[in-house]
Amino acid sequence: GAVVSQHPSRVICKSGTSVKIECRSLDFQATTMFWYRQFPKKSLMLMATSNEGSKATYEQGVEKDKFLINHASLTLSTLTVTSAHPEDSSFYICSARGNGDTEAFFGQGTRLTVV
Amino acid sequence: GQNIDQPTEMTATEGAIVQINCTYQTSGFNGLFWYQQHAGEAPTFLSYNVLDGLEEKGRFSSFLSRSKGYSYLLLKELQMKDSASYLCAALDSNYQLIWGAGTKLIIKP
Repeated sequence: GAVVSQHPSRVICKSGTSVKIECRSLDFQATTMFWYRQFPKKSLMLMATSNEGSKATYEQGVEKDKFLINHASLTLSTLTVTSAHPEDSSFYICSARGNGDTEAFFGQGTRLTVV
Repeated sequence: GQNIDQPTEMTATEGAIVQINCTYQTSGFNGLFWYQQHAGEAPTFLSYNVLDGLEEKGRFSSFLSRSKGYSYLLLKELQMKDSASYLCAALDSNYQLIWGAGTKLIIKP
């Protein structure tokens, strides 16, 4: 299958700082990227969907000013957690899908810890 | 509304067979996925069904009945490494994935 690389895999930051997570499709053009958040023992929660060159569509309850998503190219999307708080600590996962494809391929995930 | 139901947890014995069921209700339907997720890791793709019937891939098989809104994942010759969560997800008419909460599978020796 196609490869999606997510970086970093783990990050610890201080409260009030911002953290950027990158999601790259290595061998295909990702027209759509999805960002998920996962809490312990719970399923994936879709945060937002981004199409290349367009503004991301955020799910209800997700603060777009806090979770900034940029999908500037067909191979890269970034999620920036701004002014991070301890409650933002979670496992963030991206997935990417090519144009006309049905399957989405997942990145390795990023474990964010805000202290 | 859109909904995916699957059991929260199942236990099986090494070497045995286990079937994980999933029922779905979505706005339109463009297929059903099964993913495996080990603790602390991202999900990995197992199968995709869009037509009725059984798809077999080695020890894993996935079944779909569109008329019943039902799918199952069948795992044979269970190994300890199969202990993981198994996520069922349906693709709706907008090609958005609707996720189940996952089934935690515990394998005992």
